[in-house]
Amino acid sequence: SAVISQKPSRDICQRGTSLTIQCQVDSQVTMMFWYRQQPGQSLTLIATANQGSEATYESGFVIDKFPISRPNLTFSTLTVSNMSPEDSSIYLCSVGPDPGQPQHFGDGTRLSIL
Amino acid sequence: SQQGEEDPQALSIQEGENATMNCSYKTSINNLQWYRQNSGRGLVHLILIRSNEREKHSGRLRVTLDTSKKSSSLLITASRAADTASYFCATNSNYQLIWGAGTKLIIKP
Repeated sequence: SAVISQKPSRDICQRGTSLTIQCQVDSQVTMMFWYRQQPGQSLTLIATANQGSEATYESGFVIDKFPISRPNLTFSTLTVSNMSPEDSSIYLCSVGPDPGQPQHFGDGTRLSIL
Repeated sequence: SQQGEEDPQALSIQEGENATMNCSYKTSINNLQWYRQNSGRGLVHLILIRSNEREKHSGRLRVTLDTSKKSSSLLITASRAADTASYFCATNSNYQLIWGAGTKLIIKP
């Protein structure tokens, strides 16, 4: 199964700043997914990132707030822009053959906004 | 949107006992998956059961699926301290995973 490295593992940021989270996979994958997990909650899909095309965002998430890059088949970034305390969450990337099949997750980025 | 509802929200048992977690969902599914999340870590896929299957085993894990009741259960037998984690069900409907709220399992030594 794919090994996924996510950076940073955690960060504390100031309100109004932006942070870019990196997700590196040890093999080529078609589909990468970005999730948000608010404290004590379940996962919410932010967007699906396919190489060579624009990311597909879920309802409630917009590109201006969460721009995503997918420059190749092993790497993706998620930026959390103009952060507010409500953005304090764990952000997770995952990969899978298609959205409905088992996914492999990185360890997540624990983000706190002051 | 969340489709899966899991119960209990939290479960605390003695090491060696069996742990049962339940997941209910609302729409028809292609498959249902269970994941484990250790504190501060990502999720690990445990088992997938297809909509035409009723029961599946993997080591100490047993999953059942009742599509007529739109529910699934995860049984962990002979629990160990290392099983302490949160467990999530996720339903595959229209080729998207919809996640349940999770059950927090604590195994007491």
